Amino acid sequence: GAVVSQHPSWVICKSGTSVKIECRSLDFQATTMFWYRQFPKQSLMLMATSNEGSKATYEQGVEKDKFLINHASLTLSTLTVTSAHPEDSSFYICSAMDMSSHEQYFGPGTRLTVT
Amino acid sequence: GESVGLHLPTLSVQEGDNSIINCAYSNSASDYFIWYKQESGKGPQFIIDIRSNMDKRQGQRVTVLLNKTVKHLSLQIAATQPGDSAVYFCAENIFPNAGNMLTFGGGTRLMVKP
Repeated sequence: GAVVSQHPSWVICKSGTSVKIECRSLDFQATTMFWYRQFPKQSLMLMATSNEGSKATYEQGVEKDKFLINHASLTLSTLTVTSAHPEDSSFYICSAMDMSSHEQYFGPGTRLTVT
Repeated sequence: GESVGLHLPTLSVQEGDNSIINCAYSNSASDYFIWYKQESGKGPQFIIDIRSNMDKRQGQRVTVLLNKTVKHLSLQIAATQPGDSAVYFCAENIFPNAGNMLTFGGGTRLMVKP
């Protein structure tokens, strides 16, 4: 079955530093990947749609200069949280859409803790 | 469903009983719906989906019912097991759309008592 990986699975960083999270589709190609954020006991909130070879589309209220997205290949999208603050601590989940079937597959998530 | 997620309702059932988890969606143009299971610290796991041209779909131990008139979706789990304990989310989208975006509902926590 289709597999999406995320790296790292968890990260702790100091306030003011930047953190990069990778999302990879392991056995399929994805022109579109999605980045979600999930706070404790809450649902998944779409942050942005990542498109291979073009700029990401951000949801209302999500700062594009703070959450940098790069979708440089058909199997990799990265989310960089710049100048992280404690309120950015959350569970970040990506999904990748198989360009042939249009099915969407989720990664295992990355737990970010900013101290 | 709106992704407001400010409150996570809990459904507690006895092992072996049937579970019914409900979801209300808001977009009458949505024509594709998915149920996901999320265990603690993990990403969502696909359970079952249904298109708007159907009102019922069955899988292994799971059934999804769709009532477009009242914009309501339900997930029925037969003979609930301890391994079914998780948070369940419904998601909707308009298929196919330009981005294939999913909108998630608020989620329901299912607790199975042995």
